[in-house]
Amino acid sequence: DADVTQTPRNRITKTGKRIMLECSQTKGHDRMYWYRQDPGLGLRLIYYSFDVKDINKGEISDGYSVSRQAQAKFSLSLESAIPNQTALYFCATSAPGTPWFFGPGTRLTVL
Amino acid sequence: GENVEQHPSTLSVQEGDSAVIKCTYSDSASNYFPWYKQELGKRPQLIIDIRSNVGEKKDQRIAVTLNKTAKHFSLHITETQPEDSAVYFCAACTGGGNKLTFGTGTQLKVEL
Repeated sequence: DADVTQTPRNRITKTGKRIMLECSQTKGHDRMYWYRQDPGLGLRLIYYSFDVKDINKGEISDGYSVSRQAQAKFSLSLESAIPNQTALYFCATSAPGTPWFFGPGTRLTVL
Repeated sequence: GENVEQHPSTLSVQEGDSAVIKCTYSDSASNYFPWYKQELGKRPQLIIDIRSNVGEKKDQRIAVTLNKTAKHFSLHITETQPEDSAVYFCAACTGGGNKLTFGTGTQLKVEL
């Protein structure tokens, strides 16, 4: 079945380290998103991309960067991780007229 | 930008009772309103959605209503079962269908 996958699924790192979270999809969707989930705050949009040459900031992009390497791949980087970036990160995909479909999530802990 | 408020944050019901979760949105241009269910440790999964040209939609025990004038929409679950226990998120799509803004979630607990 067509799906959205994320690697790694869990990561523990230290303050100041550079971290990359990867997302791949086989759904053929052109739109990809990175969300962050914190308890009591719901899902907040970090970055989104509508095709390989299109990158847009979401509501909480500070401290993050992204790369759209191909239609099927969208990576999120934390250049210098800090403890308040500890959260559950979800990648999502969509296409015009289709619902957003989420990946399984990456649990990131920054010590 | 769009702002979505969701209430209540927690909801406890007895098995077989109904549950209602309410959301309001701020951007009158929003035109798509999905509801997601997230079980513990799992990804959010779409359970039902509604577009702005429809006032109500039903799928078995789940229904969603939309009031565009008041800018609010609600999720109704009837005959609740223990497997309905989860966190439910409402969302509103705006920006020409480009951005999905989520509510803060409702933890639903169905007690035996």
